[in-house]
Amino acid sequence: EAAVTQSPRNKVAVTGGKVTLSCNQTNNHNNMYWYRQDTGHGLRLIHYSYGAGSTEKGDIPDGYKASRPSQENFSLILELATPSQTSVYFCASGESGAETLYFGSGTRLTVL
Amino acid sequence: AQSVTQPDARVTVSEGASLQLRCKYSSSVTPYLFWYVQYPRQGLQLLLKYYSGDPVVQGVNGFEAEFSKSNSSFHLRKASVHWSDSAVYFCAVSLTSGGNYKPTFGKGTSLVVHP
Repeated sequence: EAAVTQSPRNKVAVTGGKVTLSCNQTNNHNNMYWYRQDTGHGLRLIHYSYGAGSTEKGDIPDGYKASRPSQENFSLILELATPSQTSVYFCASGESGAETLYFGSGTRLTVL
Repeated sequence: AQSVTQPDARVTVSEGASLQLRCKYSSSVTPYLFWYVQYPRQGLQLLLKYYSGDPVVQGVNGFEAEFSKSNSSFHLRKASVHWSDSAVYFCAVSLTSGGNYKPTFGKGTSLVVHP
């Protein structure tokens, strides 16, 4: 069974603080993705990666960085968190080619 | 660029009724097409996917979807819904060309099934 684990499950941060969201997959998938989910917007792609050491900008990358230090791990970094980044963040992994995505359970981030 | 439109933000049906959730896509080439379901406080799970061949594809829990190239659509159907089908349903597309994939999701349709 494909497994994607996100941590933390919930996070409260202060404006201007640094936030790191972590994602680990045991699927040995090359591709990993970070999405945010907001009411009225569905899922929007922030950053993605095709393998260790690579990161690509998605559709809404401003204010976010990503890091893929290994096949298994993909982090999303908010250097200076803002209240507009309050959202639910999902990590997903997928095989190269036919892209069935396997999602984590999400991280609910609140920036005060 | 690819895009996905789910025109219905919310659909309400009675248990046992039939269901259709609509999805239209825009893409320069024929994409891979997917339907995912999200239950409360969970991540998304795959319901079904279409690559080629028979335009009607079967998924889990009695769901099916029909691809129409002429209409650029990929509507999801179920003959008889159950209360446990209440969830948010997402249509997604992924381009087949270029070797790299950037899945794009619609905004989702919230399905409410009344007992």
